[in-house]
Amino acid sequence: DAGVTQSPTHLIKTRGQQVTLRCSPISGHKSVSWYQQVLGQGPQFIFQYYEKEERGRGNFPDRFSARQFPNYSSELNVNALLLGDSALYLCASSLGSGGAGYGYTFGSGTRLTVV
Amino acid sequence: GIQVEQSPPDLILQEGANSTLRCNFSDSVNNLQWFHQNPWGQLINLFYIPSGTKQNGRLSATTVATERYSLLYISSSQTTDSGVYFCAVNRDDKIIFGKGTRLHILP
Repeated sequence: DAGVTQSPTHLIKTRGQQVTLRCSPISGHKSVSWYQQVLGQGPQFIFQYYEKEERGRGNFPDRFSARQFPNYSSELNVNALLLGDSALYLCASSLGSGGAGYGYTFGSGTRLTVV
Repeated sequence: GIQVEQSPPDLILQEGANSTLRCNFSDSVNNLQWFHQNPWGQLINLFYIPSGTKQNGRLSATTVATERYSLLYISSSQTTDSGVYFCAVNRDDKIIFGKGTRLHILP
């Protein structure tokens, strides 16, 4: 059974551009959450979606947005990229909202570099 | 918001040694997980442990929810155990990670 898949694996963008990152959850998982991990720090929570609705939002500017599709896959969009947005972006899926019962399973991440 | 503190921040051990990593959290949580992040950035789920004790081979974990802490035990360390260990808690549909413990196992 496939795990959480993220695409692309690596990405280089220029300041001011927009980027879309994609995540496919484990089959049967209805919740997807997104994280930003800057080098040397722990992952920072960005969004959680469950059954296509936003259930939680971290302390990120409005340049960050996300959505979840009917097949439970998700996209994270970041507009007007800044150098400080360079990071590893991680996606996790879980059966239910809040990781209840089994917790979260993470994908391998998308490494975004803004130049 | 809820605070998650991990200790120690860094730990250097000889192969074969045992270690205990600690995670303290400032408020009640819905669940707690321990992860190992490998050098390629992949977060590997070690334990989903909102309360109680679990064991998996050389690793075990205990969460005492009423006292707001969790412990991860690694016995007979191997070089492949090196990496960063994170504790993450869930509260009100937000997931908060600690800053991690960086473990170095020397051959």
